[in-house]
Amino acid sequence: AQTVTQSQPEMSVQEAETVTLSCTYDTSESDYYLFWYKQPPSRQMILVIRQEAYKQQNATENRFSVNFQKAAKSFSLKISDSQLGDAAMYFCAYRSPPGGTYKYIFGTGTRLKVLA
Amino acid sequence: EAQVTQNPRYLITVTGKKLTVTCSQNMNHEYMSWYRQDPGLGLRQIYYSMNVEVTDKGDVPEGYKVSRKEKRNFPLILESPSPNQTSLYFCASSLRAHEGGRSGANVLTFGAGSRLTVL
Repeated sequence: AQTVTQSQPEMSVQEAETVTLSCTYDTSESDYYLFWYKQPPSRQMILVIRQEAYKQQNATENRFSVNFQKAAKSFSLKISDSQLGDAAMYFCAYRSPPGGTYKYIFGTGTRLKVLA
Repeated sequence: EAQVTQNPRYLITVTGKKLTVTCSQNMNHEYMSWYRQDPGLGLRQIYYSMNVEVTDKGDVPEGYKVSRKEKRNFPLILESPSPNQTSLYFCASSLRAHEGGRSGANVLTFGAGSRLTVL
């Protein structure tokens, strides 16, 4: 069974600095999808970034980028120029490929604090 | 506005009293799913549906039922709620269950969440 592990329950970063959130996963599949979702205090779940396993190029979305290491089964999120609005819980998620179980597997989350 | 709507947003109930949490999306999405969020456990998938009349269990289906009679609606039913079902529940949908086009069609859109307390 697939698993997603976020080993950092909480992280802090100074405003305008860079922070990296870790995520590792376990799967025997070769084609799958990985996501980072953000949950601010409003509780709304918001997509941050998405990566297809078949793509070697790391996904980027403005200040957010990932370091996708397929062989190591690692999918870390880098936030550059951190802003106060980045403070939230961040969840890493895995999605099976077509023909699989169509399940989403989420990690336990990392709470990010941004210090002014 | 494209959205997933859940109701109720907050509910306090008692053990054994049947309840339904409704979920509706207006985006013509094929895939819909339910999750519960508990401290230290992240989000865990309860049930999902790939299309009308097609549902399957997620990782924590015990104590829950679902139905998908219409494409837009996917209610979560707790036939006999127990205190261990106290949680924050999310409904989510995505355009397709099959990611044939690799176009981002499997990105989930979430509802605002339903806080359920069972006494």
